[in-house]
Amino acid sequence: GAGVSQSPSNKVTEKGKDVELRCDPISGHTALYWYRQSLGQGLEFLIYFQGNSAPDKSGLPSDRFSAERTGGSVSTLTIQRTQQEDSAVYLCASSLALTGTSGGAGELFFGEGSRLTVL
Amino acid sequence: GNSVTQMEGPVTLSEEAFLTINCTYTATGYPSLFWYVQYPGEGLQLLLKATKADDKGSNKGFEATYRKETTSFHLEKGSVQVSDSAVYFCALSSNAGGTSYGKLTFGQGTILTVHP
Repeated sequence: GAGVSQSPSNKVTEKGKDVELRCDPISGHTALYWYRQSLGQGLEFLIYFQGNSAPDKSGLPSDRFSAERTGGSVSTLTIQRTQQEDSAVYLCASSLALTGTSGGAGELFFGEGSRLTVL
Repeated sequence: GNSVTQMEGPVTLSEEAFLTINCTYTATGYPSLFWYVQYPGEGLQLLLKATKADDKGSNKGFEATYRKETTSFHLEKGSVQVSDSAVYFCALSSNAGGTSYGKLTFGQGTILTVHP
């Protein structure tokens, strides 16, 4: 399809296990973002990629969280030693490169998310 | 820091009723403002946006006007339909320093249910 694709759509894991979440952005979109949606915190920014580099990773909640992007396309969000408070829906979004103060700012295309449940 | 305060829901309306969802913000610089919508079983979609003061964003019968003096961006629709049932998120993207990208600050979301 032409949209942002995320996998798995649902993941149940045990506390202490590592998980990987995958995002395949829209072809040609150089910017990629990870957000987290949880009941207590709403929608939170995690990390932003421009190409393969991450100029803003200020939203990653701890060093157990990491993300990478290869080939300017697919991104993987890894959570090590998962905790129950990591349970949330992890959303990926992509957009065209944004610079300056153009009206294109914030036009993100979101995937349907990966729902993570940590038991 | 940046923040968005959104009218708490859920909101339940009858078809053809008038809708207002309030949104106010705090931001540095000159933010762009957005409404995103999440329909059941789907990802977030951009509904409308405004990039400077007094701009009006509109789409699918929804409107919102960027009010710098009241730091607000209230969403309105004159006649809602059952198909408008969804979760609505107000968001901002600050462009302090002259560069903006998709680091959005979201409100908590408002669940709208429209009955026939």
